[in-house]
Amino acid sequence: GIQVEQSPPDLILQEGANSTLRCNFSDSVNNLQWFHQNPWGQLINLFYIPSGTKQNGRLSATTVATERYSLLYISSSQTTDSGVYFCAVVISGTYKYIFGTGTRLKVLA
Amino acid sequence: DVKVTQSSRYLVKRTGEKVFLECVQDMDHENMFWYRQDPGLGLRLIYFSYDVKMKEKGDIPEGYSVSREKKERFSLILESASTNQTSMYLCASSPTPLPQHFGDGTRLSIL
Repeated sequence: GIQVEQSPPDLILQEGANSTLRCNFSDSVNNLQWFHQNPWGQLINLFYIPSGTKQNGRLSATTVATERYSLLYISSSQTTDSGVYFCAVVISGTYKYIFGTGTRLKVLA
Repeated sequence: DVKVTQSSRYLVKRTGEKVFLECVQDMDHENMFWYRQDPGLGLRLIYFSYDVKMKEKGDIPEGYSVSREKKERFSLILESASTNQTSMYLCASSPTPLPQHFGDGTRLSIL
């Protein structure tokens, strides 16, 4: 089956630092989303980004579908950015998300 | 704002018990989902429902069943709870076949 790998698995930053999270996938996909799970367990949809680049405030994401990866950029990180970031992909021809194992981010004040 | 409400944040049950996890959404979405989340495994789909009384198995349906008698409510049932079902359970709803809005999760412990 499709493999969805996220890197790094863990990341610790000082407040104000920038970071890049990566999602690699092993098969053609027709949908990709980034989610943030806060320390209380709530999962929030960040970006729907099957291709191209999107920005929302301090967050932006880029997906290069032909090369099978997506990047999530966090600039000027804040403690509220802490949590786990998941990418989820949908294999072409299906309606099922496959979630990566996540990147656990901790931002220190 | 869409609200997806799970009935319990924390739940402790004993092996062999029948366990019900309830999820309610307030946006008239056709699609609802149950996932479980385990360390190192990400989120895995247990069941989803695309309409009242309609359901499809996800990746790990064994040991679980679901019920959707009303559009706003999707219940996950552990027929006979076992310790390997200790996990975080997340419900989601969406107007599309892909989950968009998640509940806060139920952390279930089976003793």
